[in-house]
Amino acid sequence: DGGITQSPKYLFRKEGQNVTLSCEQNLNHDAMYWYRQDPGQGLRLIYYSQIVNDFQKGDIAEGYSVSREKKESFPLTVTSAQKNPTAFYLCASSRAGELFFGEGSRLTVL
Amino acid sequence: AQSVTQPDIHITVSEGASLELRCNYSYGATPYLFWYVQSPGQGLQLLLKYFSGDTLVQGIKGFEAEFKRSQSSFNLRKPSVHWSDAAEYFCAVGARGYGGSQGNLIFGKGTKLSVKP
Repeated sequence: DGGITQSPKYLFRKEGQNVTLSCEQNLNHDAMYWYRQDPGQGLRLIYYSQIVNDFQKGDIAEGYSVSREKKESFPLTVTSAQKNPTAFYLCASSRAGELFFGEGSRLTVL
Repeated sequence: AQSVTQPDIHITVSEGASLELRCNYSYGATPYLFWYVQSPGQGLQLLLKYFSGDTLVQGIKGFEAEFKRSQSSFNLRKPSVHWSDAAEYFCAVGARGYGGSQGNLIFGKGTKLSVKP
């Protein structure tokens, strides 16, 4: 079945550590996205990529980094510079204006 | 600035009752409009979308939404709610781009739906 696979589903990190969230898609979509979700805040765009080897900052990119070396993969690194990283992270791809979401990764900073 | 407002944070309805979730948007032109549903700890699933044409849009699971340009609204409705509809619902707007919306949608803060037996 085609879809978006995010891993890990749950992740715990100590303060000061970088952590990378994986996002893989087999839908053959060009565009991919990372959103952050906090309770009562909806979804906020972190980074997006319309094509391989190119990506753009979203509304809350500070403290995050991404790469897009392959069409299928769009990993997100949460760096130690992100002041409040505990959140639910959602990866998505799009085709013809519709977003397809993964199941999400919940990051907790201890 | 582009924005999406969902005025109701939490709604409780009885099973079998009708449902309307409100969504208002602020946008410079006619946007693409979406409703997504999210079960706890899960990703989002598309319920329906409006791009153009008929302003009454039918979606999955018996949901429909009506685009009203004069009111900048895109309210979601269902005539009879089932217990399995309990979830969080998000309205979103997207810019028009080549081949469809650009995909980097702006989301409302969500409305949590509870269903009483």
